[in-house]
Amino acid sequence: NAGVTQTPKFQVLKTGQSMTLQCAQDMNHEYMSWYRQDPGMGLRLIHYSVGAGITDQGEVPNGYNVSRSTTEDFPLRLLSAAPSQTSVYFCASRPPKGFNTEAFFGQGTRLTVV
Amino acid sequence: TQLLEQSPQFLSIQEGENLTVYCNSSSVFSSLQWYRQEPGEGPVLLVTVVTGGEVKKLKRLTFQFGDARKDSSLHITAAQPGDTGLYLCAGASLSTGANNLFFGTGTRLTVIP
Repeated sequence: NAGVTQTPKFQVLKTGQSMTLQCAQDMNHEYMSWYRQDPGMGLRLIHYSVGAGITDQGEVPNGYNVSRSTTEDFPLRLLSAAPSQTSVYFCASRPPKGFNTEAFFGQGTRLTVV
Repeated sequence: TQLLEQSPQFLSIQEGENLTVYCNSSSVFSSLQWYRQEPGEGPVLLVTVVTGGEVKKLKRLTFQFGDARKDSSLHITAAQPGDTGLYLCAGASLSTGANNLFFGTGTRLTVIP
């Protein structure tokens, strides 16, 4: 019963390096999203996707890219890491059909940019 | 951005005490959810409320959605150490895309045995 799987769990990057955070779900959910969590700020929406081939920006999209080639996968790319991107990143998926459905989260990726 | 403010930000209480956490916004939400998050894990859904004035009970936890659908509260009766965690409210509205959840700032609860 995997649910939402994120890799890696921890990552340290140097400023300017690039990397991809992986997210996969096995629940056939059309909607997927990426959040970052910083102390005292809750979770902030970075990018989201309502289905394969469709992505859109959330509250804090700068410095991040996403793509959605399949229903299952929704990777998040940092093109040139900055210390301000040090955070814990969560991927989430939700069933379709409205605003009452539960969001299922991965275990998170703790990213440090030095 | 749909700003959801939670209060208090931190709460440390003794086992057996009661507590209330508040989630407030100037925006109207179609629904509001409460999640609990433990260290090293993602948030897990506790409840969803959708109707103004709605009250839902989950064992010792009571959730209320404000009449105007702009605020919510979580009340815990006789808190236990297992209630320790980060509590997050999250709202959804048609104006920002029904699927998008906007999270509150969080309340970190510690229950001391």
